[in-house]
Amino acid sequence: DAKTTQPPSMDCAEGRAANLPCNHSTISGNEYVYWYRQIHSQGPQYIIHGLKNNETNEMASLIITEDRKSSTLILPHATLRDTAVYYCIVRAADDYKLSFGAGTTVTVRA
Amino acid sequence: EAGVTQFPSHSVIEKGQTVTLRCDPISGHDNLYWYRRVMGKEIKFLLHFVKESKQDESGMPNNRFLAERTGGTYSTLKVQPAELEDSGVYFCASSLLKGGYNEQFFGPGTRLTVL
Repeated sequence: DAKTTQPPSMDCAEGRAANLPCNHSTISGNEYVYWYRQIHSQGPQYIIHGLKNNETNEMASLIITEDRKSSTLILPHATLRDTAVYYCIVRAADDYKLSFGAGTTVTVRA
Repeated sequence: EAGVTQFPSHSVIEKGQTVTLRCDPISGHDNLYWYRRVMGKEIKFLLHFVKESKQDESGMPNNRFLAERTGGTYSTLKVQPAELEDSGVYFCASSLLKGGYNEQFFGPGTRLTVL
C-alpha cells in the first residue's frame, strides 16, 4: 500500500535538471524516504534515501521539506539514459518490504 | 562484484504446467526478497528470506507458489500449476541487512508468460 503520491509522468530536456516531486503527508518519524527507478526491461535500481536531511550522491540529490511531508528528487543533468519510471517509497527503519506505487514516468528528450 | 542474477530471463509455459524460477543473490547477502509485477499492476512484495528461513510470505498469492532457499544461498520460486494470471515479471532482490536504511539490489527479473 503506497504511502506516497507522485505525478504520473513528466518530460525533461537532456542536459537540464529534472525535479521529481513526491508527497508523503502521513510519513512517520521513523520512516525513510527512498527513491528507486526502473529502466525499461531492467530490475528496480536504488537511487538515494534520506530521513530528515538533504542527501546527495553521484546519481542524484534528495531534498526533504522541514515537515517531511514532501520531497524532491533532483537529477542534476538528465541524460537519455535517465528515462525510466521513478518510485518514491517511504519505509520504516525496521521494515523490509518495498511498497512500490505507480511512480512517475520520466522521459528525457534530446 | 556480481549482482543479483535470475534464471531464466524469459519463460513461456502452458496453463497447468510447472515453472521454477531461480535467483542468486549477491554473495554474503543474507536477506533475499521476491517481488512481481503482473500485467498493468504495480510491483508487489511476495516474500522475504533471512538465510534459509522465511521471515514473511504474506505477499504470496496462493498455495500454487512455493519458495525455497536451501542452504541460505540461491532461492527458487516454483509455480505449480501455473495459471494465466501468473503472467508477469518476477524480481528477486537481496540486501546485506534488513533494516529500512539498507538498500535492496534487484535482479533483472524473469518474464513469465502463461498461455
